[in-house]
Amino acid sequence: DQQVKQNSPSLSVQEGRISILNCDYTNSMFDYFLWYKKYPAEGPTFLISISSIKDKNEDGRFTVFLNKSAKHLSLHIVPSQPGDSAVYFCAASKGGGSQGNLIFGKGTKLSVKP
Amino acid sequence: DTAVSQTPKYLVTQMGNDKSIKCEQNLGHDTMYWYKQDSKKFLKIMFSYNNKELIINETVPNRFSPKSPDKAHLNLHINSLELGDSAVYFCASSLLGQGPYGYTFGSGTRLTVV
Repeated sequence: DQQVKQNSPSLSVQEGRISILNCDYTNSMFDYFLWYKKYPAEGPTFLISISSIKDKNEDGRFTVFLNKSAKHLSLHIVPSQPGDSAVYFCAASKGGGSQGNLIFGKGTKLSVKP
Repeated sequence: DTAVSQTPKYLVTQMGNDKSIKCEQNLGHDTMYWYKQDSKKFLKIMFSYNNKELIINETVPNRFSPKSPDKAHLNLHINSLELGDSAVYFCASSLLGQGPYGYTFGSGTRLTVV
């Protein structure tokens, strides 16, 4: 059973436009959510996170929105750049993000075209 | 100066063999993990060790045995390799209970069983 779902395996966006990556979760016990970015032949790297007590967290070009009632979060990248092309994983945890065992989605491959 | 390093990066071996993957972190983290990314691209937790003690052990065949000689190392030994073990294995580390910033991942070990 997938507790964290990323239903779009891929997304293609023009440089300078907004990229929106979506993620849904089923476990209402999750209280911390993270986005990881992964380039080929590298491990995932932490990008941005959000606690369930917030509905928005912003870091430069990256903003994560959380809709708890819908069990949905999204990552917005504005403006998108070719260097943003990577696989983006959504992850969730219980215990405020300080505990182990992040549950990951399958990832969405973002391609930003010049 | 690599934060989380895994060796080897690639491993091709025959069915039935026994192999080990090593992981070391120099971040001073107290918790280490093994994740498996299978052909369906899911990143799934296998094991987690905190200060050399096993704290997470997901449903993984007994052929997989983690060993943590100290908190900076977590090795994964696999006995009697099967075709279905082919995957990318990621090691990660974190500071348990400190900070909601998720994990630092290694760059992965691509295991191919033929």
